[in-house]
Amino acid sequence: NAGVTQTPKFRVLKTGQSMTLLCAQDMNHEYMYWYRQDPGMGLRLIHYSVGEGTTAKGEVPDGYNVSRLKKQNFLLGLESAAPSQTSVYFCASRQQGTSPSYTFGSGTRLTVV
Amino acid sequence: GQQLNQSPQSMFIQEGEDVSMNCTSSSIFNTWLWYKQDPGEGPVLLIALYKAGELTSNGRLTAQFGTTRKDSFLNISASIPSDVGIYFCAGIPPRGAQKLVFGQGTRLTINP
Repeated sequence: NAGVTQTPKFRVLKTGQSMTLLCAQDMNHEYMYWYRQDPGMGLRLIHYSVGEGTTAKGEVPDGYNVSRLKKQNFLLGLESAAPSQTSVYFCASRQQGTSPSYTFGSGTRLTVV
Repeated sequence: GQQLNQSPQSMFIQEGEDVSMNCTSSSIFNTWLWYKQDPGEGPVLLIALYKAGELTSNGRLTAQFGTTRKDSFLNISASIPSDVGIYFCAGIPPRGAQKLVFGQGTRLTINP
């Protein structure tokens, strides 16, 4: 089972450039999440989705947009990258209901110069 | 927003030693989770705790849900080299099932 797959694994952007991070899950999970991980700060929720066609803001949504056009995919977009968005980005998914079993992807390391 | 304070931030121990780490918050949580992250990978769930006072084990790992619902503890007994990594606590707040809150992590280093 592939689980949660994130692409790309690494990316370097110039300030002002745009890009899209792709998250794909093959577990038929309803819920999907995007987190960012910065040194000494744990993981912080950017946006999440509770089903196809729905999205909601998390703790740190500014500068990011998301889309969930298909149940298995959750896209994270940066319209105009800033150095403050240099981070490691993790996607996660879980089944509908109260199960806390989040499955995480292996991350995308993004550097904005 | 809600925050989890995890300590210690790092630990340097000898192989075979026991390890203890904890997470505290000023807010209550309905569920406490403990994750481990290996380099270049995403977090993997180790233990989930659902009730205040609950004590749960997973092999050499034991975790407890604090009775006040504002803290949790993780113990690792007889550490081995593969225990190296970053350990995160996480909590699910009341009425916030979608908003898993993470602690800052404890980086565990083991000297053989």
